[in-house]
Amino acid sequence: NAGVTQTPKFQVLKTGQSMTLQCAQDMNHNSMYWYRQDPGMGLRLIYYSASEGTTDKGEVPNGYNVSRLNKREFSLRLESAAPSQTSVYFCASTTFGIGGLGKETQYFGPGTRLLVL
Amino acid sequence: AQSVTQPDIHITVSEGASLELRCNYSYGATPYLFWYVQSPGQGLQLLLKYFSGDTLVQGIKGFEAEFKRSQSSFNLRKPSVHWSDAAEYFCAVAKNTGFQKLVFGTGTRLLVSP
Repeated sequence: NAGVTQTPKFQVLKTGQSMTLQCAQDMNHNSMYWYRQDPGMGLRLIYYSASEGTTDKGEVPNGYNVSRLNKREFSLRLESAAPSQTSVYFCASTTFGIGGLGKETQYFGPGTRLLVL
Repeated sequence: AQSVTQPDIHITVSEGASLELRCNYSYGATPYLFWYVQSPGQGLQLLLKYFSGDTLVQGIKGFEAEFKRSQSSFNLRKPSVHWSDAAEYFCAVAKNTGFQKLVFGTGTRLLVSP
């Protein structure tokens, strides 16, 4: 049981390049999330997927797209990277996304560190 | 909209001493409150959460937190800090609508001195 895994761990891009960050969970969770973490700021939600086949915008979705490929996998794509997207990206998952917070725990992956030059 | 304030950016505590990390929230209704820990190079791990009932919540690794509605606070405590507790700690608040409404504080970095 690997939990939440993310690839790659580290990536350097040039401005304008594209890339896809991969996330997978093996806990049979319904909901998955993408966050970014910037120095001096808390985590901010980019996109989330409450269940397979659905995706919704979070607080900072501009410049990103997502795909919920199946129940296990949730990818984040940067179509044209910008220096402002330099950040650490975290994927997370929970059993349910709507309600039930008292019974739920959110599990995080180890993160992808992205540098855009 | 809900918000979270962690007034201390850095805190240094001697090993074996007690610890209190401050967290204040702004939210109109009864909040769901969380504390997470992030070790260097790692993702976040949930320490504890409050959603109802007893205002003193016990978590993992010997941590506890107390919800004080009158002060809009949810401070994290530990009676005796170990060197392995050195990490960044995040407080977060959410509505009952789900984790997609989770709002994080900016974090407090804990340093443990010998």
